[in-house]
Amino acid sequence: AQKVTQAQTEISVVEKEDVTLDCVYETRDTTYYLFWYKQPPSGELVFLIRRNSFDEQNEISGRYSWNFQKSTSSFNFTITASQVVDSAVYFCAHSRVNRDDKIIFGKGTRLHILP
Amino acid sequence: KAGVTQTPRYLIKTRGQQVTLSCSPISGHRSVSWYQQTPGQGLQFLFEYFSETQRNKGNFPGRFSGRQFSNSRSEMNVSTLELGDSALYLCASSLGGLAFFGQGTRLTVV
Repeated sequence: AQKVTQAQTEISVVEKEDVTLDCVYETRDTTYYLFWYKQPPSGELVFLIRRNSFDEQNEISGRYSWNFQKSTSSFNFTITASQVVDSAVYFCAHSRVNRDDKIIFGKGTRLHILP
Repeated sequence: KAGVTQTPRYLIKTRGQQVTLSCSPISGHRSVSWYQQTPGQGLQFLFEYFSETQRNKGNFPGRFSGRQFSNSRSEMNVSTLELGDSALYLCASSLGGLAFFGQGTRLTVV
């Protein structure tokens, strides 16, 4: 069965610091997707990124970057020069390719960016 | 392009009642999934519909049911509500494995 673990329940950093959110996954699938979603206080899950298991290239989008390493089954998310607006709960997630659209979520990491 | 629309946004029901939640997916998306989010259990998969057929179902009692219409809009129903059903219910609209979520319906059972 698939499992996603986000060991960090809550993190607080001061604005402008860099912060990394950890994600470790377990799966028997050879092809799969990994996701990161952001959930602000409004409740909506905001899509940030999807990676396919055969694409281990790291990705950067503005202040956000993702490090995918199959060897350690990790898909970590780094925010550079954090801002107060980055405060939210962040979820790492997994789904299977070409099966159905069921997503398995981690428990989430609550990130506080302090001004 | 309109996003995923869930109605209502907030709902208060009494134990024993039933409730129906609605989800309109992004135009062109044929897959709709439902999730329950609670502080204790996190985000849990309820069920997924594709072209009016349930394709997968999570580990929830039979009181939780859903359906999808020919226009891909979906509804989920919870019968005989219990206090523990209080949660944020999120709907996801998917195309090619890429899922986008609505703002959710916050259900409170009193």
